[in-house]
Amino acid sequence: GENVEQHPSTLSVQEGDSAVIKCTYSDSASNYFPWYKQELGKGPQLIIDIRSNVGEKKDQRIAVTLNKTAKHFSLHITETQPEDSAVYFCAASRAGAQKLVFGQGTRLTINP
Amino acid sequence: NAGVMQNPRHLVRRRGQEARLRCSPMKGHSHVYWYRQLPEEGLKFMVYLQKENIIDESGMPKERFSAEFPKEGPSILRIQQVVRGDSAAYFCASSPEGSAYGYTFGSGTRLTVV
Repeated sequence: GENVEQHPSTLSVQEGDSAVIKCTYSDSASNYFPWYKQELGKGPQLIIDIRSNVGEKKDQRIAVTLNKTAKHFSLHITETQPEDSAVYFCAASRAGAQKLVFGQGTRLTINP
Repeated sequence: NAGVMQNPRHLVRRRGQEARLRCSPMKGHSHVYWYRQLPEEGLKFMVYLQKENIIDESGMPKERFSAEFPKEGPSILRIQQVVRGDSAAYFCASSPEGSAYGYTFGSGTRLTVV
């Protein structure tokens, strides 16, 4: 089955700097890669996703890149702000599948 | 338009008791998914249901756990004879179609077994 590895497990950056979180997946049939943000005591919230027919997607300060050959994808957050502090999860899913396989999460801390 | 509603938010049970977790999907969503999150870990798929049908329960432990999504009312995740290892956050998600695209998660139920 699919296995998703996420790095780093913790990340601390200065406010205004960029943050990058990386994930690798094992199932070459996976074609949907969402990223979720989870704040303390809350459920995961979808922040951006990418499908395998594109290599990059951007939404304001957030971007995701996908390398299908290498089977890895990354989340990029630019101009970080204190409210970006949270746990971020990557996930992967096969075409037509109903379930997501999640990475282990990255605890991002933005230092003022 | 309310999101995915889960209750209770927190549940404390003694070992051996039963836990019932409820999930009401977003309006217009007929597909419900349950995930479990152990402390400091990612979410793990448990079960996928449509109204009155269990479609995929490949992530559900074989014993003590069951799920339903009746024609009327919320989806229920039931854990019988709880043990300490069942302590976790249980999240429900819903979607308008039977796919992983566009999941909306609820805020979860945090189960503590004492």
